Amino acid sequence: EAQVTQNPRYLITVTGKKLTVTCSQNMNHEYMSWYRQDPGLGLRQIYYSMNVEVTDKGDVPEGYKVSRKEKRNFPLILESPSPNQTSLYFCASSRASGAQNTEAFFGQGTRLTVV
Amino acid sequence: GENVEQHPSTLSVQEGDSAVIKCTYSDSASNYFPWYKQELGKRPQLIIDIRSNVGEKKDQRIAVTLNKTAKHFSLHITETQPEDSAVYFCAASKGRAAGNKLTFGGGTRVLVKP
Repeated sequence: EAQVTQNPRYLITVTGKKLTVTCSQNMNHEYMSWYRQDPGLGLRQIYYSMNVEVTDKGDVPEGYKVSRKEKRNFPLILESPSPNQTSLYFCASSRASGAQNTEAFFGQGTRLTVV
Repeated sequence: GENVEQHPSTLSVQEGDSAVIKCTYSDSASNYFPWYKQELGKRPQLIIDIRSNVGEKKDQRIAVTLNKTAKHFSLHITETQPEDSAVYFCAASKGRAAGNKLTFGGGTRVLVKP
């Protein structure tokens, strides 16, 4: 089954304790992104990757890191989490197709609480 | 950068009535406009999309219209059913050059009353 898988689904952590949220897709998509969802703000892009070893900042990258060592994986790293990073996080992937957009497929989400 | 405004933030309709959600975008270079539906506790899923070379697109009870001059696009749901209750997000994108980045509106919570 074609899918984007995130882990963990739920995470409660303390301020300053490094954490990683994993994301994996099995559709051989070139593009992958991380978004955070906050009430009234929709989804905002944190980082994106257009291919292996190619990453760039989105709209809200502060406090986050990513890596793309393999095409299928795109982990999100919070080196020193703070309470304002409490949010619902989604990973998404899509395929490259000429100059046009293609459908973005989302993972099931990770609800992160930083206390 | 791109900014997408979405209205209303909540919408309550009677089953069988129509629902309309409107979005405006700021960047005239945006050329792809998808709509996502997010049911409670679930991931966003694409329900319909439209590209800038098309003015209207329909899929059964769902339609989207695009006015490039005015930079706004709308989602129309006809004959609403209880399973249409969800949060709907519009988005805009400039395509591959921006890594297929989607800029989302703030969302509309739709409640269909039986």
